[in-house]
Amino acid sequence: DAGVTQSPTHLIKTRGQHVTLRCSPISGHKSVSWYQQVLGQGPQFIFQYYEKEERGRGNFPDRFSARQFPNYSSELNVNALLLGDSALYLCASSPVAGAGGEQYFGPGTRLTVT
Amino acid sequence: QQQVKQSPQSLIVQKGGISIINCAYENTAFDYFPWYQQFPGKGPALLIAIRPDVSEKKEGRFTISFNKSAKQFSLHIMDSQPGDSATYFCAASEGGTYKYIFGTGTRLKVLA
Repeated sequence: DAGVTQSPTHLIKTRGQHVTLRCSPISGHKSVSWYQQVLGQGPQFIFQYYEKEERGRGNFPDRFSARQFPNYSSELNVNALLLGDSALYLCASSPVAGAGGEQYFGPGTRLTVT
Repeated sequence: QQQVKQSPQSLIVQKGGISIINCAYENTAFDYFPWYQQFPGKGPALLIAIRPDVSEKKEGRFTISFNKSAKQFSLHIMDSQPGDSATYFCAASEGGTYKYIFGTGTRLKVLA
């Protein structure tokens, strides 16, 4: 079975632009979470979605938004990009929401803002 | 209170040795503690996880030790191999959520 897939792999954007990152969870998984990992640090939680509803939000500005589609795939949108948004964006999927437990991460999208 | 403190920042171990990484937390509502392994340019891969009702869990060469009263948990890698060279992250999540709080990571190097 395929794991979590993310696209694109790499992306270079200019300050002020917006970006859309995409994630497909493991087949059968209904919950998707997004994390930001700055170089040399641990991942930071951004959002969790389950059944198209937001179930959790981290300490990120409103420039960050996300949504989940009926097929459980998800998009992360970031507006008005700043240099500090340069990071590896990770998507993680899990079987259900509310039970806690294991999450499986994708390979990430490397975003560089110049 | 939401932090997970991880140590050491880096670790060098001889092949065949034991690698030990420690984490500490404050939030007593945390109820799930996974460990992840991350290679450069890759996403974190789940290694092993534990819940507070268990003091130890072993999977192959990887063991988690959990001390609920001290609010500490650790990862032991037995018979460390050069292929184990990677960055290891501990994490914790609260009350049935998937909001993981990650430690700062430990860069492990196993010498051949």
